[in-house]
Amino acid sequence: DAKTTQPNSMESNEEEPVHLPCNHSTISGTDYIHWYRQLPSQGPEYVIHGLTSNVNNRMASLAIAEDRKSSTLILHRATLRDAAVYYCIQYMDSNYQLIWGAGTKLIIKP
Amino acid sequence: ETGVTQSPTHLIKTRGQQVTLRCSSQSGHNTVSWYQQALGQGPQFIFQYYREEENGRGNFPPRFSGLQFPNYSSELNVNALELDDSALYLCASSTGTSHPGELFFGEGSRLTVL
Repeated sequence: DAKTTQPNSMESNEEEPVHLPCNHSTISGTDYIHWYRQLPSQGPEYVIHGLTSNVNNRMASLAIAEDRKSSTLILHRATLRDAAVYYCIQYMDSNYQLIWGAGTKLIIKP
Repeated sequence: ETGVTQSPTHLIKTRGQQVTLRCSSQSGHNTVSWYQQALGQGPQFIFQYYREEENGRGNFPPRFSGLQFPNYSSELNVNALELDDSALYLCASSTGTSHPGELFFGEGSRLTVL
């Protein structure tokens, strides 16, 4: 069963920041939050992951709430190539599982 | 560096048949996991292999089985196919030196069961 909840879809304008929210209210203390994205007809692509503190990499930033019950993926300047389904995922270290939700379809308007 | 490759890309089977899907992991990766993705849904974890041993399994029946070979390539076998097995099957590899949740996915094998 999915342990994360996300909006079904979001729209954003090109070259503007995008904030993709995710709720994971049942997360345990050792479970990581991962984000992947999937373009049409492709396999998922790793974006970023974190445990407690905010994380940055070349693709995005991940802001994790202090109580860890929610997080936000931030794309600082969206391009048309960022249009994809974004999955917020709970990584269960106990059995190596990535538990995927239904994802948010991100639409970028030129 | 060669990425994760899967074969076949598409296949059609009938109910009750058996299918074998293949995956070549990314160079240097010793861990392979398999996921099932139904249309419009997120992937679901089937199982994971590390150095030829299954070390994690999701909520799938025993008719879903797998193998990992000494070169770390892998197979997913599904027996007694059912209509609900129609899905995209994704293989992902990872290396023990990176975070275990950072996976590299292939483009998948799309299975249709009639």
